[in-house]
Amino acid sequence: AQTVTQSQPEMSVQEAETVTLSCTYDTSESNYYLFWYKQPPSRQMILVIRQEAYKQQNATENRFSVNFQKAAKSFSLKISDSQLGDTAMYFCASTPGNQFYFGTGTSLTVIP
Amino acid sequence: DTGVSQDPRHKITKRGQNVTFRCDPISEHNRLYWYRQTLGQGPEFLTYFQNEAQLEKSRLLSDRFSAERPKGSFSTLEIQRTEQGDSAMYLCASSLFLDRDYNEQFFGPGTRLTVL
Repeated sequence: AQTVTQSQPEMSVQEAETVTLSCTYDTSESNYYLFWYKQPPSRQMILVIRQEAYKQQNATENRFSVNFQKAAKSFSLKISDSQLGDTAMYFCASTPGNQFYFGTGTSLTVIP
Repeated sequence: DTGVSQDPRHKITKRGQNVTFRCDPISEHNRLYWYRQTLGQGPEFLTYFQNEAQLEKSRLLSDRFSAERPKGSFSTLEIQRTEQGDSAMYLCASSLFLDRDYNEQFFGPGTRLTVL
């Protein structure tokens, strides 16, 4: 079975500071993709960043970067220079095949 | 707006009634997914289509649930004889699947179902 675990139900960060959200996953596939999705309050989910498992280089998208540790099956999201608009639920997801498996989410609040 | 749209956004129904939701994907996307999301949880996969073919169904999709994508464009998800446990947000997503390498899903706003 594929599982994605997010062990931090809630986090907060001061505006302009850096925060890291944790995610671990379990898969028997040799190649897969990992994603972080953001779900703002009452709004639809949008993709923040993705990582191909066969790439060793960590993905970066502006203020968002990941720390991908394949051997440890760890995929954390770092948000730098946090902004009020970053307040949202963040879901980690893996797609070892045709399905997406999501974690339970981390609710991030950016404090002014 | 060229994103994924879902209709209705909210549905309140009585236990035992049938409900149908519609999803319109991004026009060139060949894959369409349905998920269910309950409070405090991440989305759970229900089923997906590639064009008009339903390729995979989760064990979560009981006999009371049926999904169609008749012309490979919009999709409907019907729940028959609704139960209170069906109350959830139903999310639709679409993607352009070319090969195994890339399958970014774009999500719609969801339909929130409340069964009284």
